[in-house]
Amino acid sequence: DAGVIQSPRHEVTEMGQEVTLRCKPISGHNSLFWYRQTMMRGLELLIYFNNNVPIDDSGMPEDRFSAKMPNASFSTLKIQPSEPRDSAVYFCASIVGGLGTDTQYFGPGTRLTVL
Amino acid sequence: QQQVKQSPQSLIVQKGGISIINCAYENTAFDYFPWYQQFPGKGPALLIAIRPDVSEKKEGRFTISFNKSAKQFSLHIMDSQPGDSATYFCAAKGRGGATNKLIFGTGTLLAVQP
Repeated sequence: DAGVIQSPRHEVTEMGQEVTLRCKPISGHNSLFWYRQTMMRGLELLIYFNNNVPIDDSGMPEDRFSAKMPNASFSTLKIQPSEPRDSAVYFCASIVGGLGTDTQYFGPGTRLTVL
Repeated sequence: QQQVKQSPQSLIVQKGGISIINCAYENTAFDYFPWYQQFPGKGPALLIAIRPDVSEKKEGRFTISFNKSAKQFSLHIMDSQPGDSATYFCAAKGRGGATNKLIFGTGTLLAVQP
């Protein structure tokens, strides 16, 4: 039973470049979350989708960040243009959703370094 | 009002000792309080969770104590082992199925010394 899959696991890029992070949620899960983790700010929720629809993007830091979920099995988080302060570990998580189901399953994360 | 405050930031415990991590919240609409465990290089994973209709939940060496009136909850790790060394996050979630959004604490880095 595959868990949440993220790619790439590591990304090193130069300031100004476009970065695309990918996530495949657990099959059957209908809610997907993107988090950013840094030492300074801890674990921050960036955006989450329910049934492929963005529900809350209040955590997206600025217009340079965008996220899409074209179907139930794929989501992307794009940063354009990237900046050194975007360096962090980005996690994707999914949940079955609905009443009584609360466990979020996290992927292994993408470590992003912007030089 | 959406914050969950976690303490301490870091904790060092001897093998066999008790590790205690505390969290406090303000929003009385929260009705689900999980603890997540994160090992280096991995994503957080659910460890144990509690709802406010009970004051304590125990799973093996891990216990959540919940004080609804004080709006506080804590994680106790009994007989702490070096393998428990990880970062622990408390979290809270609002009532109902309209949102699955978790509010996370800032994390506690636990080191259990052999």
